[in-house]
Amino acid sequence: EVQLVESGGVVVQPGGSLRLSCAASGFTFDDYAMHWVRQAPGKGLEWVSLISWDGGSTYYADSVKGRFTISRDNSKNSLYLQMNSLRAEDTALYYCAKGHGSGSYSADYWGQGTLVTVSS
Amino acid sequence: DIQMTQSPSTLSASVGDRVTITCRASQSISSWLAWYQQKPGKAPKLLIYKASSLESGVPSRFSGSGSGTEFTLTISSLQPDDFATYYCQQYNSYSFTFGPGTKVDIK
Repeated sequence: EVQLVESGGVVVQPGGSLRLSCAASGFTFDDYAMHWVRQAPGKGLEWVSLISWDGGSTYYADSVKGRFTISRDNSKNSLYLQMNSLRAEDTALYYCAKGHGSGSYSADYWGQGTLVTVSS
Repeated sequence: DIQMTQSPSTLSASVGDRVTITCRASQSISSWLAWYQQKPGKAPKLLIYKASSLESGVPSRFSGSGSGTEFTLTISSLQPDDFATYYCQQYNSYSFTFGPGTKVDIK
């Protein structure tokens, strides 16, 4: 059974930093690209970042480019999101999601999310 | 960047109704479109990928169609479990934009 478990969400002050983690199990982690997607309270889904299976390619939404860094450790079946220079508008539930594979970058499995609150 | 729109934003329907949701892209995305269902307090669930491919385990009453800039998600006979918010997402370019969502509620 595919499982994705996010952690690291806390309350942080504006301008602060945070590192989210996602522990993956139930599939061959290093075969798939991985996403981070966020959802502000009461709002829709916003794609944040994608990393290729080997970590060699990374992509970001304009809203986080230059502030967030996605990475992965395939030896630990783990995905990360380093978040710097946090703003109030980064407050959201952050999901990690598995890329579908077979040339499709849709997200076929999702974690339950970890809540990041940026507030003074 | 590619922008995604959805219509309607809210849809009131009854059990057994045929429901259609439209998603439009600001430029051609070929067939690189997915549909997700999200219920309150839950993570999204993939329904359709590559515009018309049904994800494993998803009931056959869900179907997707379209290519280029206009896409539809159809629920052939709405069931009680289908009341939720539906999002489209493009993945033609490496920005993976979601649409704003369509909430399907009980009429």
